[in-house]
Amino acid sequence: DTAVSQTPKYLVTQMGNDKSIKCEQNLGHDTMYWYKQDSKKFLKIMFSYNNKELIINETVPNRFSPKSPDKAHLNLHINSLELGDSAVYFCASSQSRESYEQYFGPGTRLTVT
Amino acid sequence: GENVEQHPSTLSVQEGDSAVIKCTYSDSASNYFPWYKQELGKRPQLIIDIRSNVGEKKDQRIAVTLNKTAKHFSLHITETQPEDSAVYFCAASRGTYKYIFGTGTRLKVLA
Repeated sequence: DTAVSQTPKYLVTQMGNDKSIKCEQNLGHDTMYWYKQDSKKFLKIMFSYNNKELIINETVPNRFSPKSPDKAHLNLHINSLELGDSAVYFCASSQSRESYEQYFGPGTRLTVT
Repeated sequence: GENVEQHPSTLSVQEGDSAVIKCTYSDSASNYFPWYKQELGKRPQLIIDIRSNVGEKKDQRIAVTLNKTAKHFSLHITETQPEDSAVYFCAASRGTYKYIFGTGTRLKVLA
């Protein structure tokens, strides 16, 4: 019954590795987002897709690549992980035409050692 | 560029007292202002929002006020309870998909 789900919940990996985080929403929304929340709790938008089309692409290193295979899924692939990538990554979704409310997933805590 | 300032960064109140958190935004085209509550280790969740054509909105113990001229909006929580303890985020959006979040306020309600 989960509205926005993410896997994995925790991810511990070494510098230089490549990893992916997956997100799925069953709300029928057409817009999905990735946010990064750093150790100071600051929430910053990274990417957004609307109907599988990239509409927001903030200043994020090229090592981060989002992919949206369909409206219900938005994945985040990170190459060559660095210590500074350690954070909690939240996926979110919204129904663009009816409401601006964004529904957040449970988050993925990424730790790079 | 777009910016949302949020104050205070931490706030401690006695149970039953009121709490006020203030935000200032820079983009005058912003027209949607949500407030999110994030409990420890949990996801941010919307608690109240306001659109630019409204000056105030209330939902039980929480209310939000908006001053478009001054580009200020505030969250008011009355009769605070221990379960109100969390980090609160304001955000501003110009009706597109992009939220600009404030830096968060850690509220502690002391029993």
